[in-house]
Amino acid sequence: AQSVTQPDIHITVSEGASLELRCNYSYGATPYLFWYVQSPGQGLQLLLKYFSGDTLVQGIKGFEAEFKRSQSSFNLRKPSVHWSDAAEYFCAAFYTGGFKTIFGAGTRLFVKA
Amino acid sequence: DAGVTQSPTHLIKTRGQQVTLRCSPKSGHDTVSWYQQALGQGPQFIFQYYEEEERQRGNFPDRFSGHQFPNYSSELNVNALLLGDSALYLCASSWGQGQDTGELFFGEGSRLTVL
Repeated sequence: AQSVTQPDIHITVSEGASLELRCNYSYGATPYLFWYVQSPGQGLQLLLKYFSGDTLVQGIKGFEAEFKRSQSSFNLRKPSVHWSDAAEYFCAAFYTGGFKTIFGAGTRLFVKA
Repeated sequence: DAGVTQSPTHLIKTRGQQVTLRCSPKSGHDTVSWYQQALGQGPQFIFQYYEEEERQRGNFPDRFSGHQFPNYSSELNVNALLLGDSALYLCASSWGQGQDTGELFFGEGSRLTVL
């Protein structure tokens, strides 16, 4: 079945440190891939997306993600984390031919001073 | 440019009652998807509406039903509420027309508490 896995339930990083959040999608045709961020009590905001082409994609708020077909991964990175980045991050996939976007369980990011 | 709007933002119901949640899509969008997000979990797909028809449905019982109006707005109805229906219900809009990319624009959600 099509699925998205985020192995880390929560991650804590120090402010100013680098960040990498992991995401794996199920085998099969390469889906369109997304990262969303959700602040407490709010909806989801799109950070970045990958459809095709360059495997390193840039997003908003200084985030980037790298698509690796061989690993079925789409990891999110940020060189230097700010306290305001503390939130829940969701990886999502859309398999063409269907209509639904599938979400991972999320990774909660804590930022310590 | 108005984004996705949802109402109400919060509501409390008791078991067995029925609830209706409403969503207006982002301007220019014609497709509405509904998701349920339980506490500490990722959004789970309920169904999607396009051209006033349910286009795809997730693994949810028939107690969950919906509707899309000619102006593309949508409603989610849940009958015979259970405690387990307590969640944040998210509406997301997109542009269909056979060019789906899966990119979704979300509203702030409706927080439903069932007592």
